[in-house]
Amino acid sequence: NAGVMQNPRHLVRRRGQEARLRCSPMKGHSHVYWYRQLPEEGLKFMVYLQKENIIDESGMPKERFSAEFPKEGPSILRIQQVVRGDSAAYFCASSPQKGYEQYFGPGTRLTVT
Amino acid sequence: DQQVKQNSPSLSVQEGRISILNCDYTNSMFDYFLWYKKYPAEGPTFLISISSIKDKNEDGRFTVFLNKSAKHLSLHIVPSQPGDSAVYFCAASAAQGAQKLVFGQGTRLTINP
Repeated sequence: NAGVMQNPRHLVRRRGQEARLRCSPMKGHSHVYWYRQLPEEGLKFMVYLQKENIIDESGMPKERFSAEFPKEGPSILRIQQVVRGDSAAYFCASSPQKGYEQYFGPGTRLTVT
Repeated sequence: DQQVKQNSPSLSVQEGRISILNCDYTNSMFDYFLWYKKYPAEGPTFLISISSIKDKNEDGRFTVFLNKSAKHLSLHIVPSQPGDSAVYFCAASAAQGAQKLVFGQGTRLTINP
């Protein structure tokens, strides 16, 4: 049973470009969560999605950031017009149901130059 | 507002001895607590969890203790092994609303031979 998949593992973008991060949850998992880890800090919750629905986006910055989890395909975290402060590790996690442990992917390390 | 705190950034323990990692929380709505282990350039790996209706949960070498009155939990690893060297994150969630996890800043555990 494959774990949570994230791609790309490393992403370099220039200021002003768009970044698209992808997450495929574990088989049978319908709940997806995105977290961001800044250097020397813990993980910070960004958004919680189920298929075609955003359940909780209280951790998402109000501008430039969006997330989706379509009926088919991976969940996408999209960052428009990236700035240097967006440089971080972005982790996706999935769970089979609400209230179960979350299992994390390997992360995407975004570097904005 | 740091709702989950790990006050020790680092801990060094001799191989074979007990490692004790501590975590404090402030939000009384938290009712589910988890410990994750993280190696560099990898995603967090789930270790063990505990519900607020319990005060202890054990899984092999790992035991988590919860003291609700003190809003404190700890992870005991015994005996400690070199492969346990990693960053350990404490996380908490509340039943109400989405199951987003609130993470502590992490404690870097080093096991010395």
